[in-house]
Amino acid sequence: DAKTTQPTSMDCAEGRAANLPCNHSTISGNEYVYWYRQIHSQGPQYIIHGLKNNETNEMASLIITEDRKSSTLILPHATLRDTAVYYCIVRVAGANSKLTFGKGITLSVRP
Amino acid sequence: NAGVTQTPKFQVLKTGQSMTLQCAQDMNHEYMSWYRQDPGMGLRLIHYSVGAGITDQGEVPNGYNVSRSTTEDFPLRLLSAAPSQTSVYFCASRPTGLFTEAFFGQGTRLTVV
Repeated sequence: DAKTTQPTSMDCAEGRAANLPCNHSTISGNEYVYWYRQIHSQGPQYIIHGLKNNETNEMASLIITEDRKSSTLILPHATLRDTAVYYCIVRVAGANSKLTFGKGITLSVRP
Repeated sequence: NAGVTQTPKFQVLKTGQSMTLQCAQDMNHEYMSWYRQDPGMGLRLIHYSVGAGITDQGEVPNGYNVSRSTTEDFPLRLLSAAPSQTSVYFCASRPTGLFTEAFFGQGTRLTVV
């Protein structure tokens, strides 16, 4: 699976959009971008995934560049409960493919 | 629907002791896996299973054994605990479709003294 690079940390104000970047310059054509988050001491939670089109669900939006070498997870109205470690993961689409976690980015939402 | 249940939540072991971390899921997921997480690190895959009777090694399998006799359960065994196995352990499950999300348990915090 391709490697991802994320900043170590970032913060944003409550109520504002949080834009979390991820670089995956070696991504292959059959690899998808997944985002998970881990709130302190809890198990990771799935957020969203995509291939090349922008995706949106009730939690977030995922913007993938046209060359697919980077992506941005957008939390449109961050709340204090969104403070967590966010993991960007590139994974081959396949029944038995594994999730490989890096260190992620720590998002701190301030009041 | 309980999801993925891990027991115990906390455990302290002495070096050399053995124990089993339990993981059960009620979603009929074929794929199950165990991760460990050390301070400041991401999750590292220990073992995984794609179905009952089938297991395979992940990134850091040494010192751990697994078996999968049923779809629901995927226990992780430490045969002779070492201080290096002090960590938080997470179990996860998901269906084996192409784009499925993984569901994680709440973790077991293990300390080996």
